Amino acid sequence: KQEVTQIPAALSVPEGENLVLNCSFTDSAIYNLQWFRQDPGKGLTSLLLIQSSQREQTSGRLNASLDKSSGRSTLYIAASQPGDSATYLCAVTVRGTYKYIFGTGTRLKVLA
Amino acid sequence: DTAVSQTPKYLVTQMGNDKSIKCEQNLGHDTMYWYKQDSKKFLKIMFSYNNKELIINETVPNRFSPKSPDKAHLNLHINSLELGDSAVYFCASSHPWRGGDAMNTEAFFGQGTRLTVV
Repeated sequence: KQEVTQIPAALSVPEGENLVLNCSFTDSAIYNLQWFRQDPGKGLTSLLLIQSSQREQTSGRLNASLDKSSGRSTLYIAASQPGDSATYLCAVTVRGTYKYIFGTGTRLKVLA
Repeated sequence: DTAVSQTPKYLVTQMGNDKSIKCEQNLGHDTMYWYKQDSKKFLKIMFSYNNKELIINETVPNRFSPKSPDKAHLNLHINSLELGDSAVYFCASSHPWRGGDAMNTEAFFGQGTRLTVV
């Protein structure tokens, strides 16, 4: 059974810091890994999708890496801003399951 | 243009009532989902539909009945609402899974429906 864990559960940093969010999964036989952000009371916004054949994806100040063999993904946020404050979620897809399995989320607060 | 839209955004109702949540996507996707986010913010799959056909029912009570009139719509009807049904319900869509593989599929989520049962 696939389980997805995110560490830390919460993080508070001063503006301008570079930071790393972690996502771990127990079954390495994944197809995709997707990072989302969720603002309070809002829906999920897709940030990055890493396909199974890829090792990383970049979008602006965001960089996500994937290491299937070790069951890990990291989301790197460069030069953090107060607007980055949100909950960050990772989700994986596993063959034959027709579903995205979500992690527990990291609640990020960037202080001005 | 909203890619995945849900209505209503908020729903407050009494125990025992029946209610529906509607979902529409304009992304041309074949696969649609319902997720439930509990009070601890954990997201869990409820249903998956592929080309209007039910693929996954993740041990959801029979009181929950999804209906997909066409590939762009997936509605959720809930009978005899209970206090424990209070949660945020999210609709999502993606390109189709082929043979159970989600290769290169990106999921897009609606804004959620906050259901409160009193």
